[in-house]
Amino acid sequence: GQQVQQSPASLVLQEGENAELQCNFSSTATRLQWFYQHPGGRLVSLFYNPSGTKHTGRLTSTTVTNERRSSLHISSSQTTDSGTYFCAISSNTNKVVFGTGTRLQVLP
Amino acid sequence: EAAVTQSPRNKVTVTGGNVTLSCRQTNSHNYMYWYRQDTGHGLRLIHYSYGAGNLQIGDVPDGYKATRTTQEDFFLLLELASPSQTSLYFCASSGRDRGGEQYFGPGTRLTVL
Repeated sequence: GQQVQQSPASLVLQEGENAELQCNFSSTATRLQWFYQHPGGRLVSLFYNPSGTKHTGRLTSTTVTNERRSSLHISSSQTTDSGTYFCAISSNTNKVVFGTGTRLQVLP
Repeated sequence: EAAVTQSPRNKVTVTGGNVTLSCRQTNSHNYMYWYRQDTGHGLRLIHYSYGAGNLQIGDVPDGYKATRTTQEDFFLLLELASPSQTSLYFCASSGRDRGGEQYFGPGTRLTVL
């Protein structure tokens, strides 16, 4: 079945530094989504990005579908960015597979 | 924004107990999903459904039943709860808009003693 690999598994930054999170998947995905999980557990959708580049605020997602990879760039990180970031993909079956996440800690 | 609610938010039961987790979405989405989240595993799909009366098996279905009674309501049933089912459970829904973007509920933390 589909597999999703995320890297790095964890990352520690000083406030103001940039971060690049990677997502690689094993088979063609028709849908790709990035999520942020608050330290308290709440999951928030960041991007629905099956292909191309999207921006929102300090976040940029770039998906290269035929290379089966996506990235999430966080610029000028803030302590409130701390939490876990997940990549999730699905194909035509609507069955969604999540990566194991990147745990980000931004220090003041 | 899509609204997905879950109840209860926290639940403690004993081994062998009977537990029902509830999920409701009010966005006329066709698809609904149940996941569990455990440290080191990310989110794993238990069951999902594409409409009332429909049920599809996910990746970790053992020990779980699910039922989709209406388009809005999706229930997860643990009939003989075991400590291995202690986890954080999320419900999600998705529709045909935006190619199936998922919206998540707040989660239910279940502890089986």
